[in-house]
Amino acid sequence: SQKIEQNSEALNIQEGKTATLTCNYTNYSPAYLQWYRQDPGRGPVFLLLIRENEKEKRKERLKVTFDTTLKQSLFHITASQPADSATYLCALDNDYKLSFGAGTTVTVRA
Amino acid sequence: DTAVSQTPKYLVTQMGNDKSIKCEQNLGHDTMYWYKQDSKKFLKIMFSYNNKELIINETVPNRFSPKSPDKAHLNLHINSLELGDSAVYFCASSLQGSGANVLTFGAGSRLTVL
Repeated sequence: SQKIEQNSEALNIQEGKTATLTCNYTNYSPAYLQWYRQDPGRGPVFLLLIRENEKEKRKERLKVTFDTTLKQSLFHITASQPADSATYLCALDNDYKLSFGAGTTVTVRA
Repeated sequence: DTAVSQTPKYLVTQMGNDKSIKCEQNLGHDTMYWYKQDSKKFLKIMFSYNNKELIINETVPNRFSPKSPDKAHLNLHINSLELGDSAVYFCASSLQGSGANVLTFGAGSRLTVL
């Protein structure tokens, strides 16, 4: 069966450190992978998209890698700030629909 | 403001009732979705419409009926509500053919069935 697994439910880090989130998938062959941010009481907001032929993508303090051999994406938040505290979701395209992982909740301590 | 807007934001109702949630987008997107997020925060697709045509219909009870009067609107009607229907329902939209299916979500409608 198809699965999207994000490494842990919660990640607590100190301000200024790098947060690394993992997204592993099985029985998918995605053409691209996306990361979204969700704040409490709000809908997910798109952050980054990486295609299967791309190894790495950056946007400001965010970096995403995509390894189709390992079937894994890593999401990095560098120089983390308390404002980065949120739940981060990875998503894969699958037959014209986007399927989401359960998310990892990041808490950045000042 | 360009956005995906859904109403109501909160809905509290008794078991057995029928309720509707409305969604509108002014982004010029041609595809709209309903997702359900349960208490464990897992986001699962229910339906998708492209230019008013149903293209995705996941394993959802028949009590749930989506309706898209035009490509800017997608409503969700739920009959005979059950306790297990309590969740947050998100509407989303995207532009097909743009190379990737990037979704814009509404703020969610929290349904509580008592």
